[in-house]
Amino acid sequence: GNSVTQMEGPVTLSEEAFLTINCTYTATGYPSLFWYVQYPGEGLQLLLKATKADDKGSNKGFEATYRKETTSFHLEKGSVQVSDSAVYFCALTLYGGSQGNLIFGKGTKLSVKP
Amino acid sequence: KAGVTQTPRYLIKTRGQQVTLSCSPISGHRSVSWYQQTPGQGLQFLFEYFSETQRNKGNFPGRFSGRQFSNSRSEMNVSTLELGDSALYLCASSLRTGQQETQYFGPGTRLLVL
Repeated sequence: GNSVTQMEGPVTLSEEAFLTINCTYTATGYPSLFWYVQYPGEGLQLLLKATKADDKGSNKGFEATYRKETTSFHLEKGSVQVSDSAVYFCALTLYGGSQGNLIFGKGTKLSVKP
Repeated sequence: KAGVTQTPRYLIKTRGQQVTLSCSPISGHRSVSWYQQTPGQGLQFLFEYFSETQRNKGNFPGRFSGRQFSNSRSEMNVSTLELGDSALYLCASSLRTGQQETQYFGPGTRLLVL
């Protein structure tokens, strides 16, 4: 079936460290891929997206490239800040069928220490 | 432009009761989707409405239902509440329905069933 697998958290980094959160997917057809972020006590915010192979999504210093050959969409940031502490969700969309719209990974909690 | 709004933000109910949650999408958005978020199961798709019609449904029992009004506002209802229905219920809206559409989330309604 269609699914998203994220690296287990929590991830703890020092400020200005490099961040990678791995995400791989299994999907029939050609999904669109997303990263959402959830700050404590809030809903989800779209961080970035990519809709076809080799597309790179970027926002607020975060980047992710849609790799069809490795079915991956890893999230990276060159220098994290304390304010980046949140839970990050990788997701895909495949329209139609009982799978519904967004299919999410389990989430990866990031804590950034000053 | 105002974001997605959900009411109420917090709710406490007892087993066997029913509950109705409300979602107002971003102005101009015609698609509304609902998701349930729990620590154990993560984020799971409930259903999607577009132009007052249910377009997609996830794997939830019939106690979970929804509807959409002509102004695109949506409600979801859960009847005969169970302890396991305690969760954060998130609503998301998008301009249209489809794989490449970005979904924008509201802050959620946190439901506690006692």
